[in-house]
Amino acid sequence: GNSVTQMEGPVTLSEEAFLTINCTYTATGYPSLFWYVQYPGEGLQLLLKATKADDKGSNKGFEATYRKETTSFHLEKGSVQVSDSAVYLCALSEKGGGADGLTFGKGTHLIIQP
Amino acid sequence: DGGITQSPKYLFRKEGQNVTLSCEQNLNHDAMYWYRQDPGQGLRLIYYSQIVNDFQKGDIAEGYSVSREKKESFPLTVTSAQKNPTAFYLCASSVGGALSTDTQYFGPGTRLTVL
Repeated sequence: GNSVTQMEGPVTLSEEAFLTINCTYTATGYPSLFWYVQYPGEGLQLLLKATKADDKGSNKGFEATYRKETTSFHLEKGSVQVSDSAVYLCALSEKGGGADGLTFGKGTHLIIQP
Repeated sequence: DGGITQSPKYLFRKEGQNVTLSCEQNLNHDAMYWYRQDPGQGLRLIYYSQIVNDFQKGDIAEGYSVSREKKESFPLTVTSAQKNPTAFYLCASSVGGALSTDTQYFGPGTRLTVL
């Protein structure tokens, strides 16, 4: 079956540091890949997505590139801020319509210290 | 504003009682989903519905039931058969359709605590 593996936290960084959160996946077909962000006590917000190999998703300074050869979708940001502190969840949808739901990683708790 | 609403935000129930969580969307989406989130386990799919009057079990449907009588509403009932119901419940919706690369949009969640 499908699965998503991401580094578990918490990950603690200083403000303005470079961020990488690793995400690798297992799927039988050609999934779409997503990063969601979750702030304390809230639902999930879509951060970025990529639908095919070599696509790069980007939003709010975050980037992730769909790497089929390494089955990865690592999240990066060049300079993090305290406001980036949240849980980040990597997910995939294998069927095009997403009708069977998303498969999520366990989430990575990111803490940015001033 | 278009979006997904879940109510209530916090819900407390006694063990053995059924409880229904509300999810409403005004995005005109065909597909709706229910997930459960537990610490350290990520999100797991409970039920989903691609169209009105139709729904399918997800990975952890035991002890839950749903209905989809209207396009904008997808309530989830946590029954007394659910062995460990305390969790954070998230509802989502997407445009739907088997050929689209869908993005799911999430509600703010309901935290259910069974005492």
